[in-house]
Amino acid sequence: EIVLTQSPATLSLSPGERATLSCRASQSVSRNLVWYQQKPGQPPRLFIYDASYRATGVPARFSGSGSGTDFTLTISSLEPEDFAVYHCQQRSNWPLTFGGGTKVEIK
Amino acid sequence: QVQLQESGPGLVKPSQTLSLTCTVSGGSISSGSFYWSWIRQPAGKGLEWIGRIYASGSTNYNPPLESRVTMSVDTSKNQFSLKLSSVTAADTAVYYCAREPDFWGKGTTVTVSS
Repeated sequence: EIVLTQSPATLSLSPGERATLSCRASQSVSRNLVWYQQKPGQPPRLFIYDASYRATGVPARFSGSGSGTDFTLTISSLEPEDFAVYHCQQRSNWPLTFGGGTKVEIK
Repeated sequence: QVQLQESGPGLVKPSQTLSLTCTVSGGSISSGSFYWSWIRQPAGKGLEWIGRIYASGSTNYNPPLESRVTMSVDTSKNQFSLKLSSVTAADTAVYYCAREPDFWGKGTTVTVSS
């Protein structure tokens, strides 16, 4: 199976700062990667699909990039509602797999 | 807008079978070429993909769980189901049903304990 490694595990930042989250795949997934945001007590919410396309309703401060094995989710300027856990998932090979998640917390 | 709702016992005894049902509303489970998934998340941990089922009944399961997992679909009720046998405490988690990647149920907590 394809292993996804997310880094860092925790990102401590202040509102207004830029956040850069990484997701690295053990083998190429082309651009078949999605990012989810998850808040406590809620299911994951799709934020980015096909590596770089924002899902409906996702603010423009969120951007995804990458292909192959290296992917990045960038939040250009953190808003209070952005502090959450972000998961990447590869949708290229079965079984579908998730990364371990990155928690973006308030510094 | 498709909505999904998990239902089933919140407490299961060790060695027994966990059974959950997902009811889909706002759209037919048979429409399109979508598949329907189960994903779980132990408290404070990451997401684990359990498997998926198509309206035709075709399934794919995550290999580590494959020997214990059975999924089924009831198109007349717009539901799909998960059975996980021989459960242990390691199966304690929030279980989500989803039409990946964009529609997810709210999740249901299942605890394995005697």
